[in-house]
Amino acid sequence: EVQLLESGGDLVQPGGSLRLSCAASGFTFRRSAMSWVRQAPGKGLEWISSISDSGDNTYYADSVKGRFTFSRDNSRNTVSLQMNSLSAEDTAVYYCARISSGDYYFDKWGQGTLVTVSS
Amino acid sequence: SYELTQPPSVSVSPGQTARITCSGDDLPKKYAYWYRQKSGQAPVLVIFQDNKRPSGIPERFSGSSSGTMAALTISGAQLEDEGDYYCFSSDSSGNHRIFGGGTKLTVL
Repeated sequence: EVQLLESGGDLVQPGGSLRLSCAASGFTFRRSAMSWVRQAPGKGLEWISSISDSGDNTYYADSVKGRFTFSRDNSRNTVSLQMNSLSAEDTAVYYCARISSGDYYFDKWGQGTLVTVSS
Repeated sequence: SYELTQPPSVSVSPGQTARITCSGDDLPKKYAYWYRQKSGQAPVLVIFQDNKRPSGIPERFSGSSSGTMAALTISGAQLEDEGDYYCFSSDSSGNHRIFGGGTKLTVL
């Protein structure tokens, strides 16, 4: 069974940093591109970043480009999202999602981890 | 930046047909997908590649796409179909994904 388990969500002050992780199991991780999607309280879904299966290519939404860094460790079946210069607008549930092979949609999702940016 | 536009809400009575639209300039070049999200849960895919249903999704769900408009149709909506529906696609490069703003479907 495919499982994606996010961790690292927390309360952080504005301007601070946080690192999220997502542990994957139940599939050949090194062959799957991955993404992060977030959802602010009461708001819609927002794609924020994707990473290729090898980790060589990363893509970011304008809202996080230059502040967030997406990386992966194929030896540990994990992806990570380093988030810097956080503001209240980054408060959201962050979902880790697998990108469907040969396509660009998300076919598996984690349950999400909550990041709250507040003083 | 590229946007996908959906109506904020759609309301139907049980058994009626619900139709949710999604407009975007790149939809003639890129597939549309549809996710349903219920409160506090991760999204679930209900339509992929414009008009295909994943296994486990009832036949009353169908999708279509023409020009810059994609649509999700639920024929004979049920109470359990309530939730927030998001269209999804990518920009022309295929590297940047995008969600529509979401449509709240009410069945009452």
